[in-house]
Amino acid sequence: AQSVTQLDSHVSVSEGTPVLLRCNYSSSYSPSLFWYVQHPNKGLQLLLKYTSAATLVKGINGFEAEFKKSETSFHLTKPSAHMSDAAEYFCVVSVGAGSYQLTFGKGTKLSVIP
Amino acid sequence: ETGVTQTPRHLVMGMTNKKSLKCEQHLGHNAMYWYKQSAKKPLELMFVYNFKEQTENNSVPSRFSPECPNSSHLFLHLHTLQPEDSALYLCASSQDGSGVPFGQYFGPGTRLTVL
Repeated sequence: AQSVTQLDSHVSVSEGTPVLLRCNYSSSYSPSLFWYVQHPNKGLQLLLKYTSAATLVKGINGFEAEFKKSETSFHLTKPSAHMSDAAEYFCVVSVGAGSYQLTFGKGTKLSVIP
Repeated sequence: ETGVTQTPRHLVMGMTNKKSLKCEQHLGHNAMYWYKQSAKKPLELMFVYNFKEQTENNSVPSRFSPECPNSSHLFLHLHTLQPEDSALYLCASSQDGSGVPFGQYFGPGTRLTVL
């Protein structure tokens, strides 16, 4: 069975400063990992995905994440926060065939202070 | 939001009503999903359809009844719901079959309120 833990339920940063959203996972098999973002009253949007290729994954809107097997982590980062980044972010793990059996974290709400 | 669309975006219904949620994907995918998102809880997978066949039912009460007439359309029929069923219902789709997860693409959701 797989699980994912988002270490912070709420992160607050100032505009222009770096963003770090932390995620740890557990999985019996080689996982695929994703980050999704959800803006208020909107559905989830795929930010980036790791599927056993390069361990540093670049996504949309300047976000990237690094897969660290030794630390079972997949933290999301961005060098400089923008007001439009304020949203809820979900770390997701999948070990099923195809895209089934996604396990979602509880989410991290990112606030950006002007 | 042309990839996966959902209608209606908001729905208020009484416990004795019957209503349906609709989802349509324009991505050429073969798998579709219903999720429930409640406040302060992780996203819960409800149903999975692959090539129109239901492959997963995550112990969902029978008052929720899915229908997948083709790979592009997915419905969720609702009847005699309870107030605790109030939530955001999200539809998603994905490619299938290769064994490599490409990720799922989500619609904007239907905000359901049961009175």
